[in-house]
Amino acid sequence: GDSVTQMEGPVTLSEEAFLTINCTYTATGYPSLFWYVQYPGEGLQLLLKATKADDKGSNKGFEATYRKETTSFHLEKGSVQVSDSAVYFCALTESGNTPLVFGKGTRLSVIA
Amino acid sequence: NAGVTQTPKFRVLKTGQSMTLLCAQDMNHEYMYWYRQDPGMGLRLIHYSVGEGTTAKGEVPDGYNVSRLKKQNFLLGLESAAPSQTSVYFCASSPHNMNTEAFFGQGTRLTVV
Repeated sequence: GDSVTQMEGPVTLSEEAFLTINCTYTATGYPSLFWYVQYPGEGLQLLLKATKADDKGSNKGFEATYRKETTSFHLEKGSVQVSDSAVYFCALTESGNTPLVFGKGTRLSVIA
Repeated sequence: NAGVTQTPKFRVLKTGQSMTLLCAQDMNHEYMYWYRQDPGMGLRLIHYSVGEGTTAKGEVPDGYNVSRLKKQNFLLGLESAAPSQTSVYFCASSPHNMNTEAFFGQGTRLTVV
């Protein structure tokens, strides 16, 4: 079945450092890919998405590019802030009519 | 501006007790889901619904039942709680197509002792 693999956390960075969180996927078709973020004590919220190969999703300074050839959707941000401290989840949906499949999440801590 | 509301937010149960978690959404979404979140496991789908009166099993359905009698509500039931069901439960909803955003509630932290 479909699956998502994320890099293990936790990740600890200093403010203004560059962030990469790796995500690779396994799917039989052409999935849509998502990054969700969970701030402490809250539910998940959509950060960005891409629905076809070579699409780039972006939001709040975060970016991720849908790479079909490497089955990857790595999350990047050029300069992280303390307020970016959260758990980040990579997810996919296969056909648009199947439930989201999530990775295990990567906890990011940004220190001043 | 409610979105997805879960009740209760916290609950402690004794092994063997039953309870129902309620999820309500005010966005007229067709799809609704129940996930559980456990340390190191990410989110795993318990059950979901593609419309009023429909339900389907997800990845980890055993020990849970669900009902979607009204479009806006999705109930998750535990008939006989077990310690393995200690978790944080999240409800979510989305419009007709899953390529769009899924909206999550704030979660219910359940402890079974």
